[in-house]
Amino acid sequence: GDSVTQMEGPVTLSEEACLTINCTYTATGYPSLFWYVQYPGEGLQLLLKATKADDKGSNKGFEATYRKETTSFHLEKGSVQVSDSAVYFCALSDSGGSNYKLTFGKGTLLTVNP
Amino acid sequence: GAGVSQSPSNKVTEKGKDVELRCDPISGHTALYWYRQSLGQGLEFLIYFQGNSAPDKSGLPSDRFSAERTGGSVSTLTIQRTQQEDSAVYLCASSLLAGVQETQYFGPGTRLLVL
Repeated sequence: GDSVTQMEGPVTLSEEACLTINCTYTATGYPSLFWYVQYPGEGLQLLLKATKADDKGSNKGFEATYRKETTSFHLEKGSVQVSDSAVYFCALSDSGGSNYKLTFGKGTLLTVNP
Repeated sequence: GAGVSQSPSNKVTEKGKDVELRCDPISGHTALYWYRQSLGQGLEFLIYFQGNSAPDKSGLPSDRFSAERTGGSVSTLTIQRTQQEDSAVYLCASSLLAGVQETQYFGPGTRLLVL
């Protein structure tokens, strides 16, 4: 079945540091890939997505590129801010019969210190 | 416009009681989903609605869990005879259509604690 593996946290960085959160996936079809973010006390929000190989999703300075050859969708940001402190979830929805279902990684807690 | 809303935001109940959790999706969204977020299991899919029908209930953990959707809008997730292992955050999401490229928009969740 489908699965998503993302780096375990917690990740602690200083403001303006570079961020990479690794995410790899296993899928039987042609998935779309997503990064969701959960800020403290809030619900899940879509951060970015990519729907086909080599697509790059970007938003709020974050980027992730859909790499089919390495089955990866790593999240990157060049300079993090304190306000980026949150839990980040990598997710996929697969083509085929259950194409409505999101499969999530376990989440990575990011803390950015001033 | 308004996002997905859920109520109550928090619910504390005693083991063995029934609970109902409500979800109001974004207006016009045909697809609705329930997920559960717990410490041990992460985010798990529970059930999917297309209109008022539930083509996939495969994620419901037991027959104590049921859900319905009426008028193609509001959905209710019911847990009967609650157990302590039901304690979790229950998330509702909706999307305009169902499909691999569709974005699901999540509500803030209902935090359920079973004592």
